[in-house]
Amino acid sequence: GQQLNQSPQSMFIQEGEDVSMNCTSSSIFNTWLWYKQDPGEGPVLLIALYKAGELTSNGRLTAQFGITRKDSFLNISASIPSDVGIYFCAGHPPPPFGNEKLTFGTGTRLTIIP
Amino acid sequence: DGGITQSPKYLFRKEGQNVTLSCEQNLNHDAMYWYRQDPGQGLRLIYYSQIVNDFQKGDIAEGYSVSREKKESFPLTVTSAQKNPTAFYLCASSIGSGGTNEQFFGPGTRLTVL
Repeated sequence: GQQLNQSPQSMFIQEGEDVSMNCTSSSIFNTWLWYKQDPGEGPVLLIALYKAGELTSNGRLTAQFGITRKDSFLNISASIPSDVGIYFCAGHPPPPFGNEKLTFGTGTRLTIIP
Repeated sequence: DGGITQSPKYLFRKEGQNVTLSCEQNLNHDAMYWYRQDPGQGLRLIYYSQIVNDFQKGDIAEGYSVSREKKESFPLTVTSAQKNPTAFYLCASSIGSGGTNEQFFGPGTRLTVL
């Protein structure tokens, strides 16, 4: 099946820094989703992208659907302590897999250094 | 409030016992999903259901069973045949066919086999 490579695996930053992470695939996707998961909780949807080239913001978060449809990027500006957590990308491949086959990346763990 | 609930939050079982995890949603979503998450890993799909009384195996269905008798409910049974059941289990739902691909997650159930 499809594989999503998410990088970096972990990030250690200081409060106020900007963050960038990305997700790449060997095959195209029709949808890219970005989730954040706090320890012991379920993932929360941050941003959904549906068109190649699409750039969408949600507060300090900005995500882009790559032109090739094989990658996506998430940026966080001016990080704050509540940004700590694990960020997952996820993608829906085109048919025949349909809506049900949401493939997840392995996550980027964000830690803020005091 | 609309959302997805999972119970219990923590579950302990002895080896050789079956255990059932509850998942309920009041979002009027047609599709529901079960994922397994191991430490430091992404999410792996166990089973999914796109409509009542129908469900399909995901990538790691062995040792698990599900039912979908009601639109709102999608319980997961971890059977004694599952060789390594200790994990964090996440339930999700989405609008379903014809809707967006966005999946929304419950808070998760952490299962520990003693």
